Amino acid sequence: QQPVQSPQAVILREGEDAVINCSSSKALYSVHWYRQKHGEAPVFLMILLKGGEQKGHEKISASFNEKKQQSSLYLTASQLSYSGTYFCGTEGYNQGGKLIFGQGTELSVKP
Amino acid sequence: EAQVTQNPRYLITVTGKKLTVTCSQNMNHEYMSWYRQDPGLGLRQIYYSMNVEVTDKGDVPEGYKVSRKEKRNFPLILESPSPNQTSLYFCASGDKGWREKLFFGSGTQLSVL
Repeated sequence: QQPVQSPQAVILREGEDAVINCSSSKALYSVHWYRQKHGEAPVFLMILLKGGEQKGHEKISASFNEKKQQSSLYLTASQLSYSGTYFCGTEGYNQGGKLIFGQGTELSVKP
Repeated sequence: EAQVTQNPRYLITVTGKKLTVTCSQNMNHEYMSWYRQDPGLGLRQIYYSMNVEVTDKGDVPEGYKVSRKEKRNFPLILESPSPNQTSLYFCASGDKGWREKLFFGSGTQLSVL
């Protein structure tokens, strides 16, 4: 039931782009993205509701393909501050309140 | 300052000794939730509460209890802790529910010996 994130880890150089995928076996109503830096609490990035909308946050954007039950997080021109673990959280239909997170993707941006 | 406050930050205890991890938010949020974080498993939801006196199980509720007697507080209770409950615990709250931005507490690192 937990969504599957890929890749599990990625290493980038500053300025490079990355894509993190989140896939669920169940129909999704919404997808949430959070970033957690080492030793800190997760911090909200964005929420995508059904409808395939794409949202943006600084140079980070995301898409949600409801039919494929997938979401992707796009990080462009990565900065050192983007390093951390990214989690997607998914909400299924008729599961109000139950937000299930994936196992996380560890992103390291090097100078 | 708007925040979610968890206490304690670190806790070491022994098997079977009841403990409570407190969570309090000062944002008047209706929705609150507890997660545990383990390496390679991500964040797993333990319990959540849509409002006062309304709680429901998440994915891993076994061995835990919660109560929501007032809006600001959502304590997590381990009646008889076991070593497999050693984990990092996060409390979170949201304004209009889980479909809005969640604010997480700083976490509680629990070790059960």
